Amino acid sequence: DGGITQSPKYLFRKEGQNVTLSCEQNLNHDAMYWYRQDPGQGLRLIYYSQIVNDFQKGDIAEGYSVSREKKESFPLTVTSAQKNPTAFYLCASSIQGSRPQHFGDGTRLSIL
Amino acid sequence: KNEVEQSPQNLTAQEGEFITINCSYSVGISALHWLQQHPGGGIVSLFMLSSGKKKHGRLIATINIQEKHSSLHITASHPRDSAVYICAVKVSTDKLIFGTGTRLQVFP
Repeated sequence: DGGITQSPKYLFRKEGQNVTLSCEQNLNHDAMYWYRQDPGQGLRLIYYSQIVNDFQKGDIAEGYSVSREKKESFPLTVTSAQKNPTAFYLCASSIQGSRPQHFGDGTRLSIL
Repeated sequence: KNEVEQSPQNLTAQEGEFITINCSYSVGISALHWLQQHPGGGIVSLFMLSSGKKKHGRLIATINIQEKHSSLHITASHPRDSAVYICAVKVSTDKLIFGTGTRLQVFP
């Protein structure tokens, strides 16, 4: 079955450490997205990529970095510059920007 | 004021009840999505609408572009419908604006 796999489901990080969240899709989708979800707020766009080797900042890109070396993979690195990284992170993909997005099951990041 | 407002924020119902969740938006859109977020956090796309009405099983979604309003209806609700329902509007090719969600609990 095709889908989006995010790993790990739960992630703990010490303050000052970088951490990378994995997102893999086997849907052959061109576009991929990273969102952050905080309690009481709607999802907010961190980064998106419409094609391999290209990506754009979303609304809250500060403290995050991404890469898109392969079509199926779009890892997100939460750097030590991100002041409040504790959140639920969702990865999504779509065939093209106008199509519905498919979402992964998310990764919950907590700071120790 | 948020650009996408959902109501109610929380909703409880008895099994079998008819449920309505509302979404109002204040920006120009090309489409509107209804999403379902399960307790574990995963999100499933239910509908994408640009006009009129769509139906899938017990779920019905409507949109009124002039009034900038959409509703999601669930007929004959069931405990397995318990989830957070999220409205999202597409304002450009790559930008969605999300509502904060409506938490629905259906009791047997």
